[in-house]
Amino acid sequence: AQKITQTQPGMFVQEKEAVTLDCTYDTSDPSYGLFWYKQPSSGEMIFLIYQGSYDQQNATEGRYSLNFQKARKSANLVISASQLGDSAMYFCAMRELSNDKVIFGPGTSLSVIP
Amino acid sequence: NAGVTQTPKFQVLKTGQSMTLQCAQDMNHEYMSWYRQDPGMGLRLIHYSVGAGITDQGEVPNGYNVSRSTTEDFPLRLLSAAPSQTSVYFCASSYVGTEGNTIYFGEGSWLTVV
Repeated sequence: AQKITQTQPGMFVQEKEAVTLDCTYDTSDPSYGLFWYKQPSSGEMIFLIYQGSYDQQNATEGRYSLNFQKARKSANLVISASQLGDSAMYFCAMRELSNDKVIFGPGTSLSVIP
Repeated sequence: NAGVTQTPKFQVLKTGQSMTLQCAQDMNHEYMSWYRQDPGMGLRLIHYSVGAGITDQGEVPNGYNVSRSTTEDFPLRLLSAAPSQTSVYFCASSYVGTEGNTIYFGEGSWLTVV
């Protein structure tokens, strides 16, 4: 069954340090895509990064990188050089390409400390 | 750039009333979906569609109805509102398959059922 797990309800990181947010997934579909979204306190959903299951390299977008370990079914988000504006909820999501259904994990609340 | 437009932004309903949340996108996306987000939680998929005339149930479909008569519009109907449906509702759209590497969200609709 399609499932996303984020085991860290809350995380703290010092400003300018790197932080890793964990995401594991379960699917029987051989083809899928993985997403990370940021939701600040204002409520909007902001797209950060995408990784396809057949992509050979880990995705990177500026300070965001996705540590994709297919055999372990994990897709952790790494934020480098944390900024105060990174304080937000972070959601991992997965799309199964057989039906295009997209589900989200429960999220991780990140707080960046000055 | 209209993107994904949801209306209304705020609504208060009495128990038993019906209403429709409207969602429109101008990006010619095949995939559209509705999520609900309860306080402090992730997004749960209500219904989704991969094209006009095609809809399917998500994780929490009970109490909600959808239709997809055009590519642009995907309204969500609450047939008989209950306090348990108090939530923030997000509409989202994207291309399907490997083209769907970014999911676009509306700004959210805050619904309170009293």
